Amino acid sequence: KNQVEQSPQSLIILEGKNCTLQCNYTVSPFSNLRWYKQDTGRGPVSLTIMTFSENTKSNGRYTATLDADTKQSSLHITASQLSDSASYICVPSAQGAQKLVFGQGTRLTINP
Amino acid sequence: DGGITQSPKYLFRKEGQNVTLSCEQNLNHDAMYWYRQDPGQGLRLIYYSQIVNDFQKGDIAEGYSVSREKKESFPLTVTSAQKNPTAFYLCASGVSGGSSYNEQFFGPGTRLTVL
Repeated sequence: KNQVEQSPQSLIILEGKNCTLQCNYTVSPFSNLRWYKQDTGRGPVSLTIMTFSENTKSNGRYTATLDADTKQSSLHITASQLSDSASYICVPSAQGAQKLVFGQGTRLTINP
Repeated sequence: DGGITQSPKYLFRKEGQNVTLSCEQNLNHDAMYWYRQDPGQGLRLIYYSQIVNDFQKGDIAEGYSVSREKKESFPLTVTSAQKNPTAFYLCASGVSGGSSYNEQFFGPGTRLTVL
């Protein structure tokens, strides 16, 4: 059973446009949720992390939201740039977990 | 990629050969991890180590082996018993303590291809 489902699987938008990526999770009891950005052929890099009590957090043009009641998170990218082309991975964690559960990612392509 | 290095970047192996992937970190992290990434799939945990001289199997440990003789190093050996070894391998490190709040920092990865 997948504990993390991300949508869409892939997305293509024009430079300068906004987009929103979705993440549904089932891990319990919930501890935190982290979004990673992974450039092609590189390791993932953390963008944001949110705990149960936080429902929004920004990192520059990236804004993550969390609804712990519905177990959903989103990552909104504003005024996209070519360098935003990457995979975005949602990682929800359960309390006390020593291992992370990675979503399959959303592959985002920004076209000029 | 922080203070984590992986080598080589690309690796080719003939069927039946064992191969060792290197992972070194200078972040003074106690915990280190090995993941495998296949197209369209999330990262899957192979092995992890919370402290020197100790390591645990992850979700897909069959056909792999590791050692943790030094805090800075966590090499992964892909043995001939691994039936489908072609993949992108990622090493990570982080603060130990069992808290998933602690960020894992990833290396640049090694792409292994079996010929």
